[in-house]
Amino acid sequence: DVVMTQSPLSLPVTLGQPASISCRSSQSLVYSDGNTFLHWFQQRPGQSPRRLIYRVSNRDSGVPDRFSGSGSGTNFTLKISRVEAEDVGVYYCMQNTYWPLTFGGGTKVEIK
Amino acid sequence: EVQLLESGGGLVQPGGSLRLSCAASGFSFTSYDMTWFRQAPEKGLEWVSTISDGGSTNYADSVRGRFTISRDNSKNTLYLQMNSLRVDDTAVYYCAKGQSAILWGQGTLVTVSS
Repeated sequence: DVVMTQSPLSLPVTLGQPASISCRSSQSLVYSDGNTFLHWFQQRPGQSPRRLIYRVSNRDSGVPDRFSGSGSGTNFTLKISRVEAEDVGVYYCMQNTYWPLTFGGGTKVEIK
Repeated sequence: EVQLLESGGGLVQPGGSLRLSCAASGFSFTSYDMTWFRQAPEKGLEWVSTISDGGSTNYADSVRGRFTISRDNSKNTLYLQMNSLRVDDTAVYYCAKGQSAILWGQGTLVTVSS
């Protein structure tokens, strides 16, 4: 199985400051068609998860442009340019290049 | 409005069965793979099973042979039949649109306990 490793586990951030979350996979997530099926999800407290970013760097509809995704191969990053109060929650990366689909362990973003 | 609505969760004894349903609306259900995920209390997200638009299925090792995913395209509904339930199947179960989980439902809680 592809192991997804996120860091840090917890990320205290000052409002208005940037935040960065790392996600590393145990093998390259590039599929045979050239696509990389690495996605980012946000789960606010008490809510269902919501996809933010698909295929590394594409923002989903309605996602603020302060969220951005980057990376390639086995190393990926989710960045929040200026953290707002509504960004509090747990962020997960997920790959569906290979079966079984696997998630990172999650990064909890909180306000200092 | 595009939405997914799960139902069927509840309390069941170890070894028991439950069938979860997920009613889809607002999009072309027949055009999408559909996926079940779960989240144990205070834990992270875990993939359970996916069914393609054509009916092909995939399962996590932890549920293969016990759970069956299916879909009724005439009813725009996804199902998860769960047999031989174990205590460690206790979780909120979410259905999602697509393999990459474009959209999630609100979840339904399954509690396996004696």
